[in-house]
Amino acid sequence: EAGVAQSPRYKIIEKRQSVAFWCNPISGHATLYWYQQILGQGPKLLIQFQNNGVVDDSQLPKDRFSAERLKGVDSTLKIQPAKLEDSAVYLCASSLPSGGAVNEQFFGPGTRLTVL
Amino acid sequence: RKEVEQDPGPFNVPEGATVAFNCTYSNSASQSFFWYRQDCRKEPKLLMSVYSSGNEDGRFTAQLNRASQYISLLIRDSKLSDSATYLCVVTPYGGATNKLIFGTGTLLAVQP
Repeated sequence: EAGVAQSPRYKIIEKRQSVAFWCNPISGHATLYWYQQILGQGPKLLIQFQNNGVVDDSQLPKDRFSAERLKGVDSTLKIQPAKLEDSAVYLCASSLPSGGAVNEQFFGPGTRLTVL
Repeated sequence: RKEVEQDPGPFNVPEGATVAFNCTYSNSASQSFFWYRQDCRKEPKLLMSVYSSGNEDGRFTAQLNRASQYISLLIRDSKLSDSATYLCVVTPYGGATNKLIFGTGTLLAVQP
């Protein structure tokens, strides 16, 4: 079974530039997550989708970050404009829909962003 | 106070040693608990779930103490391949949203 796919794997940009990341979840997984992992820290949830609806975006810096999952499958995360502190690995994960028991989240390889 | 706190380490242990990691969480309403493993420059992967009754999987044993809001992971007979960062994870609301709160991770280096 194919895992969670992400692209690009690496991105280097200058501050104030824009960048977009793409994620394709595991087939059949209705729930998709974007996490930010800064060096030396654990992943932090930015946004969670169930199908194409947002479940939780409480920690998404909405002045510069946006995410969409228009058809309930693939998702894109955008940063505009980027700041130095956005340098991190952006992880996408997917799971079966939540409800009752907590379902295992499967992570993609991540996109490593460096903002200069 | 962080929601999930872990000693970042590193824990440097020889092969064959037994090593234990601890984690505390601040939200007494947290419902579910896990340990994830993250190899260097790789994505996190679920290692095991944690229950009050304890959970054992081969050389790995996880334990939850709800009264103390404390989670532990014990690794027996450490292997070189166990070298990784171990992330303590809690869900604040149970299964309603599947939201995971990660600790900063504890780095384990098993040496020959």
